[in-house]
Formats: sequence, C-alpha cells, structure tokens
Amino acid sequence: SQTIHQWPATLVQPVGSPLSLECTVEGTSNPNLYWYRQAAGRGLQLLFYSVGIGQISSEVPQNLSASRPQDRQFILSSKKLLLSDSGFYLCAWSRGSDTGELFFGEGSRLTVL
Amino acid sequence: AQSVTQLGSHVSVSEGALVLLRCNYSSSVPPYLFWYVQYPNQGLQLLLKYTSAATLVKGINDFEAEFKKSETSFHLTKPSAHMSDAAEYFCAVSAEGRDDKIIFGKGTRLHILP
Repeated sequence: SQTIHQWPATLVQPVGSPLSLECTVEGTSNPNLYWYRQAAGRGLQLLFYSVGIGQISSEVPQNLSASRPQDRQFILSSKKLLLSDSGFYLCAWSRGSDTGELFFGEGSRLTVL
Repeated sequence: AQSVTQLGSHVSVSEGALVLLRCNYSSSVPPYLFWYVQYPNQGLQLLLKYTSAATLVKGINDFEAEFKKSETSFHLTKPSAHMSDAAEYFCAVSAEGRDDKIIFGKGTRLHILP
C-alpha cells in the first residue's frame, strides 16, 4: 500500500532563517506531488506541483521554492522566512491519471517568530 | 474558471441528528466534485467524489452527496451524526478531473453536540 511521510511535524523558526520541509511517498512510482498551505478560514492554497523529477510548477509568487530530487521526494524550502510564511503545510500525491483524488500527508505546522 | 463556496464556516448538530454541509460550485466545464475530511492536526482524506456518473454519490462513514446541476450544488449529508464526525470538511472542484487544478473551498468545521 502507498504511504506518504512528511516532516518535521512542527517547526518554530525565527524570521530570516532558512526552511526545509521534506515529503516522501512509498509504494508507488512516478506520482504527481503537491505542496499546499492551509491558513485558518482560508482553505487550501496550492503552492507547487510536480509531475516528475526536476519538474516544478509554481502556482503563486512567494518566498518559497520546491525541489524534487528523486521520484518520490518533494522538498519545500525558503532561504529567509517571513512572518507571513507561518501556516500548516500539506504535502500530497496523486496517481497522475487525473482521477482527481489526492492523498495527503499529516502536515507540518510552521510558526515563524 | 472553477470555484467553490461552502456556506457556513461552522456547523453544529446534535449526536444522532442529520448532518447537512452545503457546497455550491462554479465551473465552465463539467466538473469533478469532491468532499474531503480533515481531523485535527492531520492531512485531508477523501470522503467521496462525483465524476459524472451517478448523481447521488456514497462515501465512507455513511456520508453521501448529491450533484444537482440546476442548483450548482453538491451538498454533503449523513442521516445520523456521530461524535467521531467532528472534523473540518472541504468541498473541492476540478476541471475535467485535473489533479493539478483542484480548487478547495474554505472548509466547514462540524461540531457534534452530545
């Protein structure tokens, strides 16, 4: 069966510090991968998605970047965090066959102070 | 363009009562529609989805939703609420089932009263 792991689960970082959130998927190959941010009362915002190694699409301009160094690994990064980067970050994968079904990780809560 | 509106950011029902969570969508093409559930401090999981087959869709934990094109609605219902149903529920739409074009609503938090 497929599983998705996301870490760290919680992170408190000072403004201006770097960020690295990691996500890995097991039990499937060539998945589509996604990073979403969830803010209270605002639903989910798609930040990045990837259909393959090294292929990243960005949905919104921001202080964050994403990379996919391996087929089942997706990394969300920032060189210098802003207060507005605080939130709940969710990694997800899909089979890439446009079934419309996303499988989410447990999320990473980032607090920038 | 697609969009989703969930009416009511918070809904409270008594245990055993009917659950009704409202969702209206806007789509320029036949939509795929979804309901996801999120338990506290967890990711989302799919409850059910509509993909242009039967208009009444049944999902996990006795939830169901009915696609009504004339009303552009996809409301989620459950006949009898259980305490374990307390969670946040998200309606979502995508154009032609595109995984990278899923638009989520802002969510409705369901509270179950004992």
